[in-house]
Parts: sequence; C-alpha cells; structure tokens
Amino acid sequence: AQSVTQPDIHITVSEGASLELRCNYSYGATPYLFWYVQSPGQGLQLLLKYFSGDTLVQGIKGFEAEFKRSQSSFNLRKPSVHWSDAAEYFCAVGAGNRDDKIIFGKGTRLHILP
Amino acid sequence: DAGVIQSPRHEVTEMGQEVTLRCKPISGHNSLFWYRQTMMRGLELLIYFNNNVPIDDSGMPEDRFSAKMPNASFSTLKIQPSEPRDSAVYFCASSFWIAGGYNEQFFGPGTRLTVL
Repeated sequence: AQSVTQPDIHITVSEGASLELRCNYSYGATPYLFWYVQSPGQGLQLLLKYFSGDTLVQGIKGFEAEFKRSQSSFNLRKPSVHWSDAAEYFCAVGAGNRDDKIIFGKGTRLHILP
Repeated sequence: DAGVIQSPRHEVTEMGQEVTLRCKPISGHNSLFWYRQTMMRGLELLIYFNNNVPIDDSGMPEDRFSAKMPNASFSTLKIQPSEPRDSAVYFCASSFWIAGGYNEQFFGPGTRLTVL
C-alpha cells in the first residue's frame, strides 16, 4: 500500500524568503502525487499534481513541485512567500488507475514572519 | 457552482446521541469521500463511494459509524451512539473519476463535531 511522509510538522519562514516543504512517498510503481493547502477553518484546495511527464510541475499561487523518483520525493517550493501563504500543506499519493483513493500525509504547518 | 456543501457546519452533542452529517457533492461528480481530521491522527479517509456504491470502507473506525449515498446528489455519515473521541472535523469531498486517471478532489468546508 502507498504511504506518504511529511517530516516537518511546522516550518517558519520570513515573508519574501524562499520555501521548500518536504514530502517522501512509498509506492512500488509510479505514483500519482498531489499537494493540497488548507487555510484555517477551510477545506483543502489542490495546489498541483503529478501524474507523468515533466518532473517539474507548476501549480496555483506560484507554487511548484519536483518529482524525484530516485529519492522518492515530491517537494513543494515557492521562490518568495507571502503572508497569505500561511496555512497547512498536505502531500498526498495515489496508487494509480485502480481506484480513486489517495492517502494524505500528516501535513506541514507554515508560519510566516513579517 | 456552489461547490461541495456540508451541513451542519458545527454540531455539539452529548455522548450517546445520534449524529448525522450531510453532504451534497458537486453536480456531475461520481466519486464522494468522507474524511475525518484530528490533531492526533491527521486526515483520515473513512469511506468513499463511486457511482453511489461504497468502494472502500476500511477506514470506518467501528460499527457506530455508517454512511449512505442514496443518490448522486446526497450522502450522509451517521454516528450512533456518539462518543467524545469522535470529536473532529469531518470533510466531504467529491471528484469526477474515470478509469485511467485521477481528478482533483474538491473539499467541502467541513463539519466541526464536538461530543460532550
């Protein structure tokens, strides 16, 4: 079965600084990978997804993520964070074509310093 | 499009009472998911339906939990009897799935359940 690990529970960065959130997955075949964001009191919103092809994927709000098969990673990056990026970020992995289920990581809460 | 609609947004009840959470998926979507989110356990998939049929209920914690999807536009998650450890935020999500690929899951705003 697939699984996903987000090693950082909390991350704090200054506004304007670059950001990288880590995600490692476990799955025997090529996974389907996702990053979702959750603002306080809200549901989750998809930032970006990787199914195949170019390993660097662009998402909404200026985020990007890179799939690295050799490292089983799918890290999320943003060159310059804004105060509005403070939220919780979830990495998720799907098993492929067999079903519609995806497994979420525990999440990383991002704090922004002014 | 109104998005995924959940009701109620907040529910406070006493231990032993029956609780029913409701979800209206996005029109045209054929998959519906129920998740539970707590600080300790994170976001857990409880059950999901495809074309109104339960596909995987392995995440349902125990027999006190049940879910139904009588038609494509409505689903319920019921807890009876409720216990304090059921206190959590319950999310409903929907997507349009076809064999061969994934599509984005759209999440509702959640129902915050407090069992006293």
